[in-house]
Amino acid sequence: EAEVAQSPRYKITEKSQAVAFWCDPISGHATLYWYRQILGQGPELLVQFQDESVVDDSQLPKDRFSAERLKGVDSTLKIQPAELGDSAMYLCASSSDNRGNEQYFGPGTRLTVT
Amino acid sequence: SQQGEEDPQALSIQEGENATMNCSYKTSINNLQWYRQNSGRGLVHLILIRSNEREKHSGRLRVTLDTSKKSSSLLITASRAADTASYFCATDPPDGNKLVFGAGTILRVKS
Repeated sequence: EAEVAQSPRYKITEKSQAVAFWCDPISGHATLYWYRQILGQGPELLVQFQDESVVDDSQLPKDRFSAERLKGVDSTLKIQPAELGDSAMYLCASSSDNRGNEQYFGPGTRLTVT
Repeated sequence: SQQGEEDPQALSIQEGENATMNCSYKTSINNLQWYRQNSGRGLVHLILIRSNEREKHSGRLRVTLDTSKKSSSLLITASRAADTASYFCATDPPDGNKLVFGAGTILRVKS
């Protein structure tokens, strides 16, 4: 069964350092999402791609976060510089369309900023 | 901001019992979805119910939707220890193409 791949699974970094996460969605899925999930809360959308284009990045802290999906397939989320408050689970998801249907999630990257 | 609010925040039951979780939301929706998340893992889609549907079943899961009360419930019948997880509702508002998740209900099924 096709799955969304994410790496790394765990990342520990010091504040002010740069960190990057990678996501490979299910083959053929045009829509890709990055979520941040703080412990004890539900996921919050950071950025949504339709193919290679950003369709929603209203909740992305653009002074330090960036995301790209250059060829409309895999995607990278970067944080520079990392802050203590960025410690969270970063989840990638994909779906076959952007009409609010089922999303398939990867296992996530657990980020700890020290 | 999170639109959905699950209730209760945590639920502990014995294996074989039924578990009911509720979700309330604030705005109109196209559909409402339920997801499960095992500790430290990604979310798994359980069921989707559209705004014109009132009830839906999938195996041991039963979901109801009351759009007049802006609420939904998830019933898990004959629970198993493997059902131990966090359960989230997610709504799809008509004015957007994104899901908005609630804070989740933590379910513990004791064997």
